[in-house]
Amino acid sequence: AQSVAQPEDQVNVAEGNPLTVKCTYSVSGNPYLFWYVQYPNRGLQFLLKYITGDNLVKGSYGFEAEFNKSQTSFHLKKPSALVSDSALYFCAVRAYQAGTALIFGKGTTLSVSS
Amino acid sequence: EAQVTQNPRYLITVTGKKLTVTCSQNMNHEYMSWYRQDPGLGLRQIYYSMNVEVTDKGDVPEGYKVSRKEKRNFPLILESPSPNQTSLYFCASSTTGIESYEQYFGPGTRLTVT
Repeated sequence: AQSVAQPEDQVNVAEGNPLTVKCTYSVSGNPYLFWYVQYPNRGLQFLLKYITGDNLVKGSYGFEAEFNKSQTSFHLKKPSALVSDSALYFCAVRAYQAGTALIFGKGTTLSVSS
Repeated sequence: EAQVTQNPRYLITVTGKKLTVTCSQNMNHEYMSWYRQDPGLGLRQIYYSMNVEVTDKGDVPEGYKVSRKEKRNFPLILESPSPNQTSLYFCASSTTGIESYEQYFGPGTRLTVT
């Protein structure tokens, strides 16, 4: 069965420091991986995706993620955090063979302090 | 502007009173889906639709119905709501093309069943 794990409920970083939000996945076959962000009282916004190709994927708002097949991970990163990055982040996976359903992790709250 | 709209945004109702949450997208997407978001559980898929008149159950379909009579609309129906259906609901849509699996989300509907 497909699954996604976000091992940290909350990540706290200081503004200007690098941030990492972790995600590991389990899926049969090649994974399609996604990161979404949810700001308070808003819907989810797409940040970036990995389908194939370069393991380092760049997305919106300066975020990037690194696909690591051997560790089945897809961690979200940003070199320098902003207070405005504070939000709830979801990792999601889809297996090619399984239709277009996305399986979401439970979410990680990112808090960036000034 | 490309968007997914949901109505109503907020709804308070009583146990057993049938309700419908509408969802509409203007991107000509084939795929549409309903999710519910609960604290600590992330997003769980309720139902999805691959195209007009094609619907299927997600992970938590009990107590819900859907229909897809038109490509742009995908209403969620609660025939007899119960308090455990109090949640934040999101509609999403996407193409089914192999290079475009990111889903576009509506703003959410916060439902309270008393």
